[in-house]
Amino acid sequence: DAKTTQPPSMDCAEGRAANLPCNHSTISGNEYVYWYRQIHSQGPQYIIHGLKNNETNEMASLIITEDRKSSTLILPHATLRDTAVYYCIVRTGANNLFFGTGTRLTVIP
Amino acid sequence: NAGVTQTPKFRILKIGQSMTLQCAQDMNHNYMYWYRQDPGMGLKLIYYSVGAGITDKGEVPNGYNVSRSTTEDFPLRLELAAPSQTSVYFCASSYGRTGDGYTFGSGTRLTVV
Repeated sequence: DAKTTQPPSMDCAEGRAANLPCNHSTISGNEYVYWYRQIHSQGPQYIIHGLKNNETNEMASLIITEDRKSSTLILPHATLRDTAVYYCIVRTGANNLFFGTGTRLTVIP
Repeated sequence: NAGVTQTPKFRILKIGQSMTLQCAQDMNHNYMYWYRQDPGMGLKLIYYSVGAGITDKGEVPNGYNVSRSTTEDFPLRLELAAPSQTSVYFCASSYGRTGDGYTFGSGTRLTVV
């Protein structure tokens, strides 16, 4: 599975959109992009995933560039409860999710 | 719907002791996984199972054993606890299809002294 690169930390003002970038330049055609988050010491929580098209659900939007070498997770109106570590993962098979160190997002009041 | 349930939530072991971390899911997921997370690090896969009776090693299997006698349960066994096994352990499950997400348990915090 391709590896990802994320900034180690980001801040976002409460109520504003949080845009979390991820680079995955070695992604192959059948690899999905997944986003998870981990709040404090809880188990990771699934947010969203996509292959080629942009995706939106009740939690977030996922924007994937046309060449698929990078993506952005968007939390449209960040709240204090969104403070967490966000992991961007690419994968083909079901046997493993490779968690890097992620981006620590801090939402500031 | 309980999802993925892990027990115990906390445990302190002495070096050389053994214990079993329990994991159960009620979503009829075929795939189950054990991860460990050291402080400030991402999760690393220990073992996984694609169905009852089938298990396979992940990235860091040394010092651990697993079994999968039923679809619902996937216990992780530590035979001779070592300080290097101090970590938070997460169990997860999924249907196993490429587009599926994982559901994680709340974790077991293990300290070996």
